[in-house]
Amino acid sequence: EAQVTQNPRYLITVTGKKLTVTCSQNMNHEYMSWYRQDPGLGLRQIYYSMNVEVTDKGDVPEGYKVSRKEKRNFPLILESPSPNQTSLYFCASSFVVGTGELFFGEGSRLTVL
Amino acid sequence: SQQGEEDPQALSIQEGENATMNCSYKTSINNLQWYRQNSGRGLVHLILIRSNEREKHSGRLRVTLDTSKKSSSLLITASRAADTASYFCATDRSNFGNEKLTFGTGTRLTIIP
Repeated sequence: EAQVTQNPRYLITVTGKKLTVTCSQNMNHEYMSWYRQDPGLGLRQIYYSMNVEVTDKGDVPEGYKVSRKEKRNFPLILESPSPNQTSLYFCASSFVVGTGELFFGEGSRLTVL
Repeated sequence: SQQGEEDPQALSIQEGENATMNCSYKTSINNLQWYRQNSGRGLVHLILIRSNEREKHSGRLRVTLDTSKKSSSLLITASRAADTASYFCATDRSNFGNEKLTFGTGTRLTIIP
């Protein structure tokens, strides 16, 4: 089954404790992206990757890191989480050249205390 | 900054009625996409309309695009309870793929049985 898998789905952590949210897709998509969703603000792009070893900042990259060492994986790293990073995070992927349809994971709800 | 803004923010209608949502944006685009999100879940792609198209249909969905007014509308005909969800427009200003896909804040649609 074609899917984007995120882990963990739910996480409560404390300020400053490094964490990684993993994202994996099995559709051989070149493009992957991370978004955060906050009430009243919609989805905002954090980082994206056009292919392996190619990443770039989105609209709200501060406090986040990413890497793209393999085509299927695109982890989101919070080196020192802060309460303003409490949010619902989504990973998405697509072909670079194609229909433009983004495939989303089920989301990771992160709470930073 | 938000590229797409949906209107209304919330809409409640009786089952069987038609639902119309609007999206306005600020800068020129390559295409505009509509996505659906069931409560807290991942977004699902509904339909894409390119900048040189004016209208597109997919099942009970009808999308229009007016580039002169920088606006789009999504019409869901003969609504069903299962259509209850949030609907987002996403505008694409990318050079190569989806790297500049910007989401609006969404319209929350409730279908009353």
